[in-house]
Amino acid sequence: DAKTTQPNSMESNEEEPVHLPCNHSTISGTDYIHWYRQLPSQGPEYVIHGLTSNVNNRMASLAIAEDRKSSTLILHRATLRDAAVYYCILKERNAGNMLTFGGGTRLMVKP
Amino acid sequence: GAVVSQHPSWVICKSGTSVKIECRSLDFQATTMFWYRQFPKQSLMLMATSNEGSKATYEQGVEKDKFLINHASLTLSTLTVTSAHPEDSSFYICSARRGAAGTDTQYFGPGTRLTVL
Repeated sequence: DAKTTQPNSMESNEEEPVHLPCNHSTISGTDYIHWYRQLPSQGPEYVIHGLTSNVNNRMASLAIAEDRKSSTLILHRATLRDAAVYYCILKERNAGNMLTFGGGTRLMVKP
Repeated sequence: GAVVSQHPSWVICKSGTSVKIECRSLDFQATTMFWYRQFPKQSLMLMATSNEGSKATYEQGVEKDKFLINHASLTLSTLTVTSAHPEDSSFYICSARRGAAGTDTQYFGPGTRLTVL
């Protein structure tokens, strides 16, 4: 299984940008990189996903390294409501399209 | 955006009883839904894949006779925890797959917290 490595936790100040890293050195050519986040006592929420090119949406930006062995989720301006566990997940095409959750990064946002 | 609901949001039951949890995709059809379980301070663990019109596929170590899954329509999957015991107390989360295979996205429900006394 292709796996990801993320820091256990990160801290950020409110209204500052946050860069959440993810290493996935064993990624295969057809694996998509998905990011989800989970607020306390809630189900995970889809954030963004990409394959090779950087992606932007209303929630965040995803920067993917040229060799695809790492990626970074960028929150341009952190708010207190962004405090959550962020999961970086490789979507394996040949694994029934299931998501395998790792430990994620717990983001704490300080006012 | 895609919305997935779960009912109930929390349930407390006595040991030995059965509990049914519903998962609905409200604004899209989902041929595939997934059921996860999450213990406190741990990550989500996939329990089973629910396919509309066919039998669910269970992950290794998950008892299919204990966790009954029925995907009766393109918008509804149910998980029944039979003869629940305190060790089954957990946060149960479903997700529904939207889009074509390979480029699809999963949308998650808000979760159901089960407490077995």
